[in-house]
Amino acid sequence: NAGVTQTPKFRVLKTGQSMTLLCAQDMNHEYMYWYRQDPGMGLRLIHYSVGEGTTAKGEVPDGYNVSRLKKQNFLLGLESAAPSQTSVYFCASSYAAGEQYFGPGTRLTVT
Amino acid sequence: GEDVEQSLFLSVREGDSSVINCTYTDSSSTYLYWYKQEPGAGLQLLTYIFSNMDMKQDQRLTVLLNKKDKHLSLRIADTQTGDSAIYFCAVMKRDDKIIFGKGTRLHILP
Repeated sequence: NAGVTQTPKFRVLKTGQSMTLLCAQDMNHEYMYWYRQDPGMGLRLIHYSVGEGTTAKGEVPDGYNVSRLKKQNFLLGLESAAPSQTSVYFCASSYAAGEQYFGPGTRLTVT
Repeated sequence: GEDVEQSLFLSVREGDSSVINCTYTDSSSTYLYWYKQEPGAGLQLLTYIFSNMDMKQDQRLTVLLNKKDKHLSLRIADTQTGDSAIYFCAVMKRDDKIIFGKGTRLHILP
């Protein structure tokens, strides 16, 4: 039982490049979330999903897209990376509205 | 104001009690959470409380909820050096969004 895993752990992108962050959970959770964490800003919700095939916008969705084609995976895409997207990205999952399990984070730098 | 507000820093002597406070704006919040983040790590859920409760205790942790004032607190009894971390308050809104505060950095004095 791996819990919540995130791939990759680190990445450096040039401005304008694209990439996809993968979040996977093996707990059969319905809800999945993508957050970004910046110094002094706490965690901000980017997008979330309440079930396979569903997605919804969070607080800071601009510049990101997501997909939940399979229940266990939640993908976060950056189509054209910008320096403002330099951050640590956390994925989380939960069965319903209770305990969220967080992944270890992905540190992304955009130059 | 912000949806969820917390003070940014708290210093406590080892062995004393720590009280971390949080205020929120959405009175229809359903679940309220406290998370702990140690350096370089993800977030770990410490405890959560339903909006229809006013207190929850779990070993050294006590959560108090004042719905009228929209105020949530986390008390850590007998604070230890291992409690040094950032503590996040978070609330779930009716649309299932979970909104986090900016976090309170707890510093333990010897």
